[in-house]
Amino acid sequence: GDSVTQMEGPVTLSEEAFLTINCTYTATGYPSLFWYVQYPGEGLQLLLKATKADDKGSNKGFEATYRKETTSFHLEKGSVQVSDSAVYFCALSKSGGSNYKLTFGKGTLLTVNP
Amino acid sequence: DAEITQSPRHKITETGRQVTLACHQTWNHNNMFWYRQDLGHGLRLIHYSYGVQDTNKGEVSDGYSVSRSNTEDLPLTLESAASSQTSVYFCASSRGRGYEQYFGPGTRLTVT
Repeated sequence: GDSVTQMEGPVTLSEEAFLTINCTYTATGYPSLFWYVQYPGEGLQLLLKATKADDKGSNKGFEATYRKETTSFHLEKGSVQVSDSAVYFCALSKSGGSNYKLTFGKGTLLTVNP
Repeated sequence: DAEITQSPRHKITETGRQVTLACHQTWNHNNMFWYRQDLGHGLRLIHYSYGVQDTNKGEVSDGYSVSRSNTEDLPLTLESAASSQTSVYFCASSRGRGYEQYFGPGTRLTVT
């Protein structure tokens, strides 16, 4: 079945450091890929998405590129801020058939220190 | 603005009681989902619905049920609450295949 694997956390960085959170997936067909962010005590919010190979999703300084050849969708940010401290989830959604479900990775906790 | 709400936000109940968690969305989405979030497990799908009168089991559906009588609401019922069902529950909705899901703020349920 479909699956998403994220790097294990927690990740601790200093402010203005470079961030990479790795995400790889297993799925048949051509899934859409998402990164969600969950701030403490809140629900998940969509951070960015990509719907086809080589697409780059971007939002709030975060970027991720849909790499079909490596089945990856790594999240990057050039300079993190304390306010980026949160849990980040990679997810996929099938684009074919009647399956509208999201499959999530287990999440990566990011802590950014001043 | 369209939104998705959950109630209650916090609930403490006793083992064996029936509990219903409400989810209401004003996006007019046909697709709605219930997840539970636990440390070490990420989000796991409990039940989902693709439209009125449609319900489907997810990967952790035992002990839970849902019903869909209108587009806006998908209540989640725990028939006989167990301590293993202590968790944070999230409701979500989406427009369709390949589209993102919009999440509610969550309900923290404690079963004592």
